Amino acid sequence: AQSVTQLDSHVSVSEGTPVLLRCNYSSSYSPSLFWYVQHPNKGLQLLLKYTSAATLVKGINGFEAEFKKSETSFHLTKPSAHMSDAAEYFCVVSSSGGSYIPTFGRGTSLIVHP
Amino acid sequence: KAGVTQTPRYLIKTRGQQVTLSCSPISGHRSVSWYQQTPGQGLQFLFEYFSETQRNKGNFPGRFSGRQFSNSRSEMNVSTLELGDSALYLCASSLEGGTNEKLFFGSGTQLSVL
Repeated sequence: AQSVTQLDSHVSVSEGTPVLLRCNYSSSYSPSLFWYVQHPNKGLQLLLKYTSAATLVKGINGFEAEFKKSETSFHLTKPSAHMSDAAEYFCVVSSSGGSYIPTFGRGTSLIVHP
Repeated sequence: KAGVTQTPRYLIKTRGQQVTLSCSPISGHRSVSWYQQTPGQGLQFLFEYFSETQRNKGNFPGRFSGRQFSNSRSEMNVSTLELGDSALYLCASSLEGGTNEKLFFGSGTQLSVL
């Protein structure tokens, strides 16, 4: 069984300040973890993924995430927010064991103030 | 390379009708998966097709069905529509549908059931 919890439904930051979007997961198997972003009226786009190679994963547009097994967390960060980062962010877990069914978090809406 | 294409973009139906949605994956991708996105339930996995066979299925009633053609294009059908079926339906494609593969999403079909 697997699940993912995004700890904040909304995060509000000012442009130029750091971004932290929190994600906790559970998985009975070795997990693959992803962060996707969805802009209004668009499909989801992959930001980054973790697949057991390196615990610190760098993605597109300056985002990165750190896999912490002891805390079962995969938080997404960015040093400096840009107005164009305003969107919905989804943390996703899928597992190598059993059938392939990705589980999505409920999403975090990132609001960026000028 | 063309992205994932979903048609139609918007659809309005009445209760009891049926509907067919179409998804054309990225060329060379053999796995197509479908998702339902609603404000109340978030993003939920419907099913995944690979080489014309349904390989994985989420927890949805039998009114939701799909198929995949030899060119990897996929269709999703919902029969006897209910008000609760109103949602954004997203499809995604990937090369082989592995648990650590990146998913490429279409922009979705917005279905409204009146």
